Amino acid sequence: DGGITQSPKYLFRKEGQNVTLSCEQNLNHDAMYWYRQDPGQGLRLIYYSQIVNDFQKGDIAEGYSVSREKKESFPLTVTSAQKNPTAFYLCASSFYNRGGTEAFFGQGTRLTVV
Amino acid sequence: QKEVEQNSGPLSVPEGAIASLNCTYSDRVSQSFFWYRQYSGKSPELIMSIYSNGDKEDGRFTAQLNKASQYVSLLIRDSQPSDSATYLCAVKRGDSNYQLIWGAGTKLIIKP
Repeated sequence: DGGITQSPKYLFRKEGQNVTLSCEQNLNHDAMYWYRQDPGQGLRLIYYSQIVNDFQKGDIAEGYSVSREKKESFPLTVTSAQKNPTAFYLCASSFYNRGGTEAFFGQGTRLTVV
Repeated sequence: QKEVEQNSGPLSVPEGAIASLNCTYSDRVSQSFFWYRQYSGKSPELIMSIYSNGDKEDGRFTAQLNKASQYVSLLIRDSQPSDSATYLCAVKRGDSNYQLIWGAGTKLIIKP
């Protein structure tokens, strides 16, 4: 089945820890994205990547890091520098087609600081 | 001014009626517009995309785009309780092939 897989579904982080969220897609999409969603809020872009070995900061990149070593994979690391990491993290991928860029989402990772 | 604006709601609509969701955007060169549905605790799912002025219909859903007024809407006919969700409007940046700008979403409640 084609799709986007995020893992884990739930993640607990202790203060001062770095944690890595996994995102894999087998849709052959060029672009991948990481968004953060807080309760009652819209999506805020953390990082995005249009091609392998290249990525750009979004609106709230501070305290996060990413890599794009393979087309299929775009892991997100939440570092200890991110002071308020508790949120719902969404990974998405998209293709470019005649001006469109329909994005599809994984099931999300809910991160909680304990 | 926010780049993509939606009424946060909640919008309450009786079952069987038409639900009308609205979105305005500020980027005059945007060409691609999307509606996503998000159930509580779940990830967004794409329900409609629209690229040209006018209406686009898909089953009970109709997207309407007016680029001159920078306005995009989503109509849901014969609303069902299962349509109760938050609806997110997304607009592709005019200067990007991939980057989307998101509205905060409208919460829709369909009352049986």
